Amino acid sequence: EAQVTQNPRYLITVTGKKLTVTCSQNMNHEYMSWYRQDPGLGLRQIYYSMNVEVTDKGDVPEGYKVSRKEKRNFPLILESPSPNQTSLYFCASSSIRISAYEQYFGPGTRLTVT
Amino acid sequence: DQQVKQNSPSLSVQEGRISILNCDYTNSMFDYFLWYKKYPAEGPTFLISISSIKDKNEDGRFTVFLNKSAKHLSLHIVPSQPGDSAVYFCAASFFHGGANNLFFGTGTRLTVIP
Repeated sequence: EAQVTQNPRYLITVTGKKLTVTCSQNMNHEYMSWYRQDPGLGLRQIYYSMNVEVTDKGDVPEGYKVSRKEKRNFPLILESPSPNQTSLYFCASSSIRISAYEQYFGPGTRLTVT
Repeated sequence: DQQVKQNSPSLSVQEGRISILNCDYTNSMFDYFLWYKKYPAEGPTFLISISSIKDKNEDGRFTVFLNKSAKHLSLHIVPSQPGDSAVYFCAASFFHGGANNLFFGTGTRLTVIP
């Protein structure tokens, strides 16, 4: 089954404790992206990647890091989480060759930072 | 600054009637527009799209209309069904930063009343 998976689905952590949210897709997509969803703000892009070892900042990259060492994986790293990073996070992927616009989303990771 | 706006946070419609969801954008560079649908505890899923060279695109019960002069698009669902109850996100894109990144609106929660 074609899918984007994220782990964990739910996470409660404390300020300053480094964490990683994993994202993996099995569709051989070149493009991957991370978004956060907040009430009244919709989905905002954090980082994106056009292919292996190619990453770039989205609209709200502060406090986040990413890496793309393999085509299928695109982890989101919070080195020192703060309460304002409490949010619902989505990973997405798409095929640049077929349709760069139509992105497949993972199920989301709800992060709470206390 | 929100480049894609959905001014109605919620909409309720009787089953069988038409649902009309609206979206406005400010960036005249956008050349592709999409609607995504999101159920609780799931990621958004692609619903329908339209290129800026068209003014209408239809797919079954779903039709998207684009008015470029007004920078406005709308999604019509006819007839509405209870299973259509979800949050609908409008998104827009243009090629920049080496990618076709998506800019999302804040979402409209549609409730179809049986």
